[in-house]
Amino acid sequence: DVKVTQSSRYLVKRTGEKVFLECVQDMDHENMFWYRQDPGLGLRLIYFSYDVKMKEKGDIPEGYSVSREKKERFSLILESASTNQTSMYLCASRGSMPDTQYFGPGTRLTVL
Amino acid sequence: ELKVEQNPLFLSMQEGKNYTIYCNYSTTSDRLYWYRQDPGKSLESLFVLLSNGAVKQEGRLMASLDTKARLSTLHITAAVHDLSATYFCAVEVSGYALNFGKGTSLLVTP
Repeated sequence: DVKVTQSSRYLVKRTGEKVFLECVQDMDHENMFWYRQDPGLGLRLIYFSYDVKMKEKGDIPEGYSVSREKKERFSLILESASTNQTSMYLCASRGSMPDTQYFGPGTRLTVL
Repeated sequence: ELKVEQNPLFLSMQEGKNYTIYCNYSTTSDRLYWYRQDPGKSLESLFVLLSNGAVKQEGRLMASLDTKARLSTLHITAAVHDLSATYFCAVEVSGYALNFGKGTSLLVTP
């Protein structure tokens, strides 16, 4: 079974803090993704990566950056957290062939 | 910009009834995915549809794809309470990234 894990299920941070969200997959997938999910807005793509050290902006990259130093790990970074970044963050991975994305359990981030 | 529209967004149905959720999208694609999300949980893959005319069935759920009409349907047969969840369709356009619909929140009542 594919396993995608995220470092925290719940996180509370203060405005202005630097926040790291970690995602690890165990299926040797080339592609990894970060989404945020908000009520009424569905899932929106923040960034994705198709290879180590490669990244592409999604629909809402502002205020975020990413890092992929190893194939199995994809990190989302909030350089200076703001209250409007309070959300559920979902990581996903997929191999190179057409297939579904496999999602992690999510991190519910609250920025106070 | 790709738009993915699901309807209805909210659906309350009685056990034993049939219903269809619709997913329309605005640009050419032959890769469409359906997911299920239970409250407080992550997304679980239901169906992968990779060509025009594709039909997949699992239990009481059946999904189909018409790429010419840019339409996918998720049909529920004889609903049971365990099917209560939010259902998302997602369209793949390029670079493997998905564009999601806003989700259909389904409640099955006795």
